[in-house]
Amino acid sequence: SQQGEEDPQALSIQEGENATMNCSYKTSINNLQWYRQNSGRGLVHLILIRSNEREKHSGRLRVTLDTSKKSSSLLITASRAADTASYFCATAETSGSRLTFGEGTQLTVNP
Amino acid sequence: DAMVIQNPRYQVTQFGKPVTLSCSQTLNHNVMYWYQQKSSQAPKLLFHYYDKDFNNEADTPDNFQSRRPNTSFCFLDIRSPGLGDAAMYLCATTGKSSGANVLTFGAGSRLTVL
Repeated sequence: SQQGEEDPQALSIQEGENATMNCSYKTSINNLQWYRQNSGRGLVHLILIRSNEREKHSGRLRVTLDTSKKSSSLLITASRAADTASYFCATAETSGSRLTFGEGTQLTVNP
Repeated sequence: DAMVIQNPRYQVTQFGKPVTLSCSQTLNHNVMYWYQQKSSQAPKLLFHYYDKDFNNEADTPDNFQSRRPNTSFCFLDIRSPGLGDAAMYLCATTGKSSGANVLTFGAGSRLTVL
């Protein structure tokens, strides 16, 4: 069964605005990762946050993790048209276990 | 550049005609995965290899088989494709150099079944 659920399913914003996507999961985790997928392509790893971390930054990306609520958010600041893609969260129950992906958020950034 | 390469990128087959998709990697990763992704859905794990050890997901249909002849190559065989098998098939790898279980994906093979 799928571990992660994401909302919103689709998000449309203007260039320059911030985009926030949320992910909820069901079981305890070792780490949570976010991936990006351009249309018709494979997934690309963006950022990983471990269960003992609360917040992590990478460039225009900010990820938060709340293990008490079993949820994570991905914030993309100052969005660009090139950020248009699907974004998936993925969880791992242990450090070496397989990932389980959420259903994804389709982000459209309008120029 | 080290990478994961999938061939073919697009495959059209007829109902019931066997198909083989290939994946090669230059990362020297010891773990390789095959995911199935249908339109607007999450990638679904079919099976993975940890070194030579094959691990099948419980709900992967018997119609799907895999081979890993060496570290660099992995194949997905669909013995008798049905219309429901039309999807994007994604190969991914991970290893100690990736850290934790961060996956590197290929560009995918899109399968159409007529």
